[in-house]
Amino acid sequence: DQQVKQNSPSLSVQEGRISILNCDYTNSMFDYFLWYKKYPAEGPTFLISISSIKDKNEDGRFTVFLNKSAKHLSLHIVPSQPGDSAVYFCAASPINSGNTPLVFGKGTRLSVIA
Amino acid sequence: DVKVTQSSRYLVKRTGEKVFLECVQDMDHENMFWYRQDPGLGLRLIYFSYDVKMKEKGDIPEGYSVSREKKERFSLILESASTNQTSMYLCASSKGVVQYFGPGTRLTVT
Repeated sequence: DQQVKQNSPSLSVQEGRISILNCDYTNSMFDYFLWYKKYPAEGPTFLISISSIKDKNEDGRFTVFLNKSAKHLSLHIVPSQPGDSAVYFCAASPINSGNTPLVFGKGTRLSVIA
Repeated sequence: DVKVTQSSRYLVKRTGEKVFLECVQDMDHENMFWYRQDPGLGLRLIYFSYDVKMKEKGDIPEGYSVSREKKERFSLILESASTNQTSMYLCASSKGVVQYFGPGTRLTVT
């Protein structure tokens, strides 16, 4: 049973436009959420995170929004650039501790078209 | 900068061979993880360890074992490699919630 779902396997966006990647979760015990970016033949790299006490976190072109009541988070990339083309994984943690493994979604492949 | 290294980027092994994948981190992290990534299946946790000589099964431990004799090193062992273990293997380490990943090992079992 998937606790973290990324329902769009792929997304194509024009360069300069906004990319919105979505993630839904089912476990109400999750209280910390992360986004990772992965290029082919490389390991995932941490991108941005958000705690459940916030509803928005921004870092440059990347913003994550959290809607706890809907158990939904999204990653916004503005403006999108060709170098953003990668697979994006959403991940969740039940407590703010590394002892509990992250639960990952299956990923969304973003293609930014020049 | 956190550095997680994996012993090989690409590996080709034959069915039935014993395979060792090594992972080393230089940040004194307590927690280490092994995942495999397959198309359409995302990252699946094989084993993790939150201390030296400690190990916990993840979601898909069958056919794998691990060893953590030193804090910085976490090894994944395929006791008898099979073709369905062809995959990208990713190691990660963490102190808090954020996990830091190595570059991955693309293993092909023929």
